[in-house]
Amino acid sequence: AQSVTQLGSHVSVSEGALVLLRCNYSSSVPPYLFWYVQYPNQGLQLLLKYTTGATLVKGINGFEAEFKKSETSFHLTKPSAHMSDAAEYFCAVSGSSGTYKYIFGTGTRLKVLA
Amino acid sequence: DAMVIQNPRYQVTQFGKPVTLSCSQTLNHNVMYWYQQKSSQAPKLLFHYYDKDFNNEADTPDNFQSRRPNTSFCFLDIRSPGLGDAAMYLCATSRVTHGTDTQYFGPGTRLTVL
Repeated sequence: AQSVTQLGSHVSVSEGALVLLRCNYSSSVPPYLFWYVQYPNQGLQLLLKYTTGATLVKGINGFEAEFKKSETSFHLTKPSAHMSDAAEYFCAVSGSSGTYKYIFGTGTRLKVLA
Repeated sequence: DAMVIQNPRYQVTQFGKPVTLSCSQTLNHNVMYWYQQKSSQAPKLLFHYYDKDFNNEADTPDNFQSRRPNTSFCFLDIRSPGLGDAAMYLCATSRVTHGTDTQYFGPGTRLTVL
C-alpha cells in the first residue's frame, strides 16, 4: 500500500525567502514521486518528478526536490520565493512496478508575503 | 502544442438534470483519468480507461459514468447531479507501457449545481 503525507496545509513565506514544502511517502515498492502545482481554477501542472537515478531533481520555475529513501521524503524547495509561486502544491506517489494510479497528498497552500 | 482540453470550463446545471463533461487529448496517450476535486482537497480518482478497458474506483457513485469512444476523447456523464456533486472535474492522461508514467492534466471543468 502507498500513502503520502504533506506536513502543513498552509505555509507562508516572505518574498525572497526559502520555500520548503514537505512530503513524506510510504510505499512497499520503489516509488515514483511527483510534485504538481495548481493555481486557482486551473488544472494541475507538473513541477518535477523522480523515477530513478539522480536523487536531486530539478523542475520548472526554479523548484527542486530531493528523494531521500532513508527518510522516505521528497521535500520541495525553492531558494527564493516569488509572488507568482502562491498556489496549491500536491505531492503524489505511484508505484514503479505497474501501478499507474497516483496517491495524492492533501496539498499545501503556499502564501507569499510581500 | 500537444495538450489535454476540457470543455466547457464552467458548467452550470440544475439539481437532477443530466450533464456531460468533455475531455480530449492530442498526446495519443493510452490512459485517461477522471478526477473530482472539491475545494481545498486533493483530486479524487473516479475512474480511468486503460485503452478501451474501463476501471471504476470502488467508491465512485453509480451516478457517475464515463465513455471513451476513441483514443482522443473521453466523457464524464453525471446522470442526476446533486448539490454534493458541485466540484472541479479534472481530466488527465498518461502513456503507460511497463509501469507508471506522468499524468498530464487538463484545465478542469468547474461544475455548479443549482
